[in-house]
Amino acid sequence: QKEVEQNSGPLSVPEGAIASLNCTYSDRVSQSFFWYRQYSGKSPELIMSIYSNGDKEDGRFTAQLNKASQYVSLLIRDSQPSDSATYLCAVNKSYGKLTFGQGTILTVHP
Amino acid sequence: GAVVSQHPSRVICKSGTSVKIECRSLDFQATTMFWYRQFPKQSLMLMATSNEGSKATYEQGVEKDKFLINHASLTLSTLTVTSAHPEDSSFYICSARDLGGGLYNEQFFGPGTRLTVL
Repeated sequence: QKEVEQNSGPLSVPEGAIASLNCTYSDRVSQSFFWYRQYSGKSPELIMSIYSNGDKEDGRFTAQLNKASQYVSLLIRDSQPSDSATYLCAVNKSYGKLTFGQGTILTVHP
Repeated sequence: GAVVSQHPSRVICKSGTSVKIECRSLDFQATTMFWYRQFPKQSLMLMATSNEGSKATYEQGVEKDKFLINHASLTLSTLTVTSAHPEDSSFYICSARDLGGGLYNEQFFGPGTRLTVL
């Protein structure tokens, strides 16, 4: 079992819809969780971080964490074509080291 | 805030040569920097953790004598790929963790260096 698992997609949603991205992790000692967006040929950009169970909202983005289920998700409301990218889920266990999932490719079509 | 730079952004070299990549945190101090490698259509793989003033910690399977890491100050870490070969061609990305850290231990990534070894 991979430490961090994501559906590789591609996930295709129409413009204006809600995109839902999911991630599960295997190690219960994981402390904090991150969503990064990576455009093709570019480095990852941090878009959300979450530490506590529940929801965290920032603009069009909402991160959800359920430690009991070892599950973290990212919702993107009012999806735009510019949101088309690969979304990486990352988990921090200790010493600041991140373990990344394989990424979910999101395509938002007009 | 939280800007990380990398230099060069792109490098092409001949097989057998060495290449140095610099990673700088521009507006914060970073006791810890991380070096990743990413092959096409794959996720990021952590190569090593670079700690200011001490030896780097390498992940399993990463040759420390081939990938030399130096973290001489709180704002600069360098990765030297020694005797590069075509299989070392990849996208190398550094990240830095803010000394202030905070609750999340967030890492901020540099723009990456695309290495092509001929």
